[in-house]
Amino acid sequence: EPEVTQTPSHQVTQMGQEVILRCVPISNHLYFYWYRQILGQKVEFLVSFYNNEISEKSEIFDDQFSVERPDGSNFTLKIRSTKLEDSAMYFCASSVSQGFQPQHFGDGTRLSIL
Amino acid sequence: KQEVTQIPAALSVPEGENLVLNCSFTDSAIYNLQWFRQDPGKGLTSLLLIQSSQREQTSGRLNASLDKSSGRSTLYIAASQPGDSATYLCAVDALEGGSEKLVFGKGTKLTVNP
Repeated sequence: EPEVTQTPSHQVTQMGQEVILRCVPISNHLYFYWYRQILGQKVEFLVSFYNNEISEKSEIFDDQFSVERPDGSNFTLKIRSTKLEDSAMYFCASSVSQGFQPQHFGDGTRLSIL
Repeated sequence: KQEVTQIPAALSVPEGENLVLNCSFTDSAIYNLQWFRQDPGKGLTSLLLIQSSQREQTSGRLNASLDKSSGRSTLYIAASQPGDSATYLCAVDALEGGSEKLVFGKGTKLTVNP
């Protein structure tokens, strides 16, 4: 069964450094999402992306964050200058359509900021 | 703003028992509701998706119901097994600003004892 794949599985970065998290969504999916889960807390929506532009973003998704689909397969989340509070599990998800089909999630990237 | 609550936060049962997990949400304007399973350190596996027009969905030993008007959903697990031990997350697909996003509960951590 097709899967959403995320790399790396674990990223350790110094505070203030830039980090790029990578995702390969399922190939025929058109809608892409990033979520994050701080340890012990709820999974939170960050951003949705469709037709090469952001559809919606949360209050968390400030100017330090950006997303890109650089080619036909990858979907990336960049954090420009990481802060300690950015430490979390970041999940990528994709879906073939809005509302009627489930979102499929990757296994996540654990981001640790030192 | 949509809020999702799950009760109980944790549940421990002996193998073979039937059990019910509860989810409530504050805004009935939803596309659908999804139940996910999350194993420790892993991503989210979609279990069931109920469209807003549906009352229930079944998959194997799992049955999920939806009462949109009262803002409630239940996940029923029949004949529980130790392999069912995981955290179960409820998420509503929120209709906000014309764009889709999932709003999650904090989850119910289920332990099934052999």
